[in-house]
Amino acid sequence: NAGVTQTPKFRILKIGQSMTLQCTQDMNHNYMYWYRQDPGMGLKLIYYSVGAGITDKGEVPNGYNVSRSTTEDFPLRLELAAPSQTSVYFCASSPWTSGEQYFGPGTRLTVT
Amino acid sequence: QKEVEQDPGPLSVPEGAIVSLNCTYSNSAFQYFMWYRQYSRKGPELLMYTYSSGNKEDGRFTAQVDKSSKYISLFIRDSQPSDSATYLCAMSAGGSEKLVFGKGTKLTVNP
Repeated sequence: NAGVTQTPKFRILKIGQSMTLQCTQDMNHNYMYWYRQDPGMGLKLIYYSVGAGITDKGEVPNGYNVSRSTTEDFPLRLELAAPSQTSVYFCASSPWTSGEQYFGPGTRLTVT
Repeated sequence: QKEVEQDPGPLSVPEGAIVSLNCTYSNSAFQYFMWYRQYSRKGPELLMYTYSSGNKEDGRFTAQVDKSSKYISLFIRDSQPSDSATYLCAMSAGGSEKLVFGKGTKLTVNP
């Protein structure tokens, strides 16, 4: 099993550009999450999903959008990139809401 | 008061030392407790998972939960340079409640 995979690993965006961060898991988990991690700030939840077709906002959803059309995939969309979105983004999946989460390797995004 | 508090460190110890990493929490409903290890420029990986109070041991690692004090610990015996990483605690109340993460403690083990 590959677990949770994320692409791309790195990306540099100009202000105002858009992009989609891809996340795929092969563990058949219903629950998937997007976090951002800034130095010294810990993990902040952006969006999460409890199953295909169901998504909900986390702690810091502004500037982001998600969709969940399949169990495996949970892409994160940035519509109008801003410097404040410079961060490392992690996708995670879990077999149940309160259960252990399995993380992907992360996408390091810089917006200039 | 934050729901989960974790000393950010950094913590620097010599190789072979016993390391103690700690988190305190305020929500008495928490009953699932986890420790994650995150190497530099990598994603967090699950290290230990415990339910309710007590100890759990896995090799050089011991996780301890004291629900009466709302305090959890991770002990690393015979620490190695390869243990150098940031350690995050995480916990949840179960049911539909999501995991709550600490901000992490950065550990360096010096050879």
